[in-house]
Amino acid sequence: SQTIHQWPATLVQPVGSPLSLECTVEGTSNPNLYWYRQAAGRGLQLLFYSVGIGQISSEVPQNLSASRPQDRQFILSSKKLLLSDSGFYLCAWSVSSGKFSNQPQHFGDGTRLSIL
Amino acid sequence: GQQVMQIPQYQHVQEGEDFTTYCNSSTTLSNIQWYKQRPGGHPVFLIQLVKSGEVKKQKRLTFQFGEAKKNSSLHITATQTTDVGTYFCARNSGGSNYKLTFGKGTLLTVNP
Repeated sequence: SQTIHQWPATLVQPVGSPLSLECTVEGTSNPNLYWYRQAAGRGLQLLFYSVGIGQISSEVPQNLSASRPQDRQFILSSKKLLLSDSGFYLCAWSVSSGKFSNQPQHFGDGTRLSIL
Repeated sequence: GQQVMQIPQYQHVQEGEDFTTYCNSSTTLSNIQWYKQRPGGHPVFLIQLVKSGEVKKQKRLTFQFGEAKKNSSLHITATQTTDVGTYFCARNSGGSNYKLTFGKGTLLTVNP
């Protein structure tokens, strides 16, 4: 069966420090991968998605970046964190889509990031 | 045009009461997905609706897709404390088959 691992679970970082959050998926090949941020208002904001190794699409301009160095590994990074980067970061995967239908997305446990 | 509006934002019920959340779009949806997020947890996929007028049931949960494919609803019969959480609908985004746009969710609390 497929599993998704995301770490760390919580992180407290000072403003201006770098960030690296990692997400790995097991039990499937060539998944679509996603990074979301969830602020206190509960909505899910799509930050990045990837449909293949080295293919990254950014949804919102920000000081974050994403990389996919391996098929089932997705990394969210920042060189300098801002206070506004605080939030709940969720990684998700889905099966590579069929032509006509969205596939369900499966989420990791998330990382709660606090910027001080 | 790619947004989905969810109402209500919050709903507090007594255990045993019914609950309904609605998801509305100004444009026709190819499909709609529903997710549940328990407090402190991550969203979990519940169901996907594809056909006009489709109705699907999962125990006490009933999901419906409107005839015009512009709205959807989730109804819970006789709520239990285990139903507490935020319920999100999600639509395909940007005409793609792999991006989703999530509604802001409905937070359900249940008084035992």
